[in-house]
Amino acid sequence: GAVVSQHPSWVICKSGTSVKIECRSLDFQATTMFWYRQFPKQSLMLMATSNEGSKATYEQGVEKDKFLINHASLTLSTLTVTSAHPEDSSFYICSASTLAHQETQYFGPGTRLLVL
Amino acid sequence: AQSVTQPDIHITVSEGASLELRCNYSYGATPYLFWYVQSPGQGLQLLLKYFSGDTLVQGIKGFEAEFKRSQSSFNLRKPSVHWSDAAEYFCAVSQYGNKLVFGAGTILRVKS
Repeated sequence: GAVVSQHPSWVICKSGTSVKIECRSLDFQATTMFWYRQFPKQSLMLMATSNEGSKATYEQGVEKDKFLINHASLTLSTLTVTSAHPEDSSFYICSASTLAHQETQYFGPGTRLLVL
Repeated sequence: AQSVTQPDIHITVSEGASLELRCNYSYGATPYLFWYVQSPGQGLQLLLKYFSGDTLVQGIKGFEAEFKRSQSSFNLRKPSVHWSDAAEYFCAVSQYGNKLVFGAGTILRVKS
């Protein structure tokens, strides 16, 4: 149980285009979803927290207009990187938790984004 | 602010040897404590977690961790390492329902 998927697993795009990454909880309802970013050989940094049906809460320094997060249902959250630039190239990982077990996050496999 | 320190960036152990990965945290109260493992290019898998109760926690894949309040530590151990354990290990802390704060990670290499 507690499986989280992400799609796509990797994406290459041209500078200036937008990219959407999906995060799905496959066998549970995720009241809260989290989006992290991981640079090579570094730890995970939280970008934002989203609750179903509410606006996402962004961490300091994360541009909310650049990283659009939507959590429209209890099983799906999306992260859209708008007008992507090479410096946005990174590994993006989502996680999800349930209302009954908010203390534990289950992570997706990650999406590697390369902006050319 | 919460912080997590994993003092060892890299650790190399021989297959079959015992393993201990160190984790120290800084937080006013007892936080929720976690160990995750990440294989190259993959997401994170939860190994074990501690919230309260018995300070020795058993996890998956033969791992265990011990919470020591006096040392603000939550070290991960395994009595006999397998080659498949080679990966990066992250210690993390959180308040209930709030964001996870991760350590920098420890890369484990297993030599045969």
